[in-house]
Amino acid sequence: AQSVTQLDSQVPVFEEAPVELRCNYSSSVSVYLFWYVQYPNQGLQLLLKYLSGSTLVKGINGFEAEFNKSQTSFHLRKPSVHISDTAEYFCAVSEAQKLVFGQGTRLTINP
Amino acid sequence: SAVISQKPSRDICQRGTSLTIQCQVDSQVTMMFWYRQQPGQSLTLIATANQGSEATYESGFVIDKFPISRPNLTFSTLTVSNMSPEDSSIYLCSVLAGADTQYFGPGTRLTVL
Repeated sequence: AQSVTQLDSQVPVFEEAPVELRCNYSSSVSVYLFWYVQYPNQGLQLLLKYLSGSTLVKGINGFEAEFNKSQTSFHLRKPSVHISDTAEYFCAVSEAQKLVFGQGTRLTINP
Repeated sequence: SAVISQKPSRDICQRGTSLTIQCQVDSQVTMMFWYRQQPGQSLTLIATANQGSEATYESGFVIDKFPISRPNLTFSTLTVSNMSPEDSSIYLCSVLAGADTQYFGPGTRLTVL
């Protein structure tokens, strides 16, 4: 079975600073990878996804992620964060059309 | 993408009772999923609901506790039966759009006293 590890449970950053949220997965086959964001008291919103092709994928709200097959990683980045980016971020891998989620990373933006 | 609504958005229930959560999507979809998110935790898949067939439950979840209906291609319900405080969670439905991407509803926040 596939698994996803988000290496940081919490990431505090200052506003306008860059941020990277780390995600590693375990799989021996081709994978689909996703990042979702959960704002306080809301459901999950799709940020971006990697299905195939270019390893650098761009998503909404200025986020991007890079698929690295050799390191089995799919780290999420944003060059300059805003207070409104405060949320929980979940990395997920698709297995037989089911999603396996990481434990989540809480991103806190300090003014 | 898909627009998904859930009812109720939140509820407080007494132990021993049951709650049925509804999930409605604005387009026809083959696969719908139900997840549980316990307080401060990630999401865990409860079951997959396909129209016209029995739901498929993940390890640790059983039909007697979480019966699911899928009467058509735009609607599903999840019932949390004989509730205990350990069932206090957010319950989310999602749909598979295209072949590969799931979109989520806003969730139902359940508190069991």
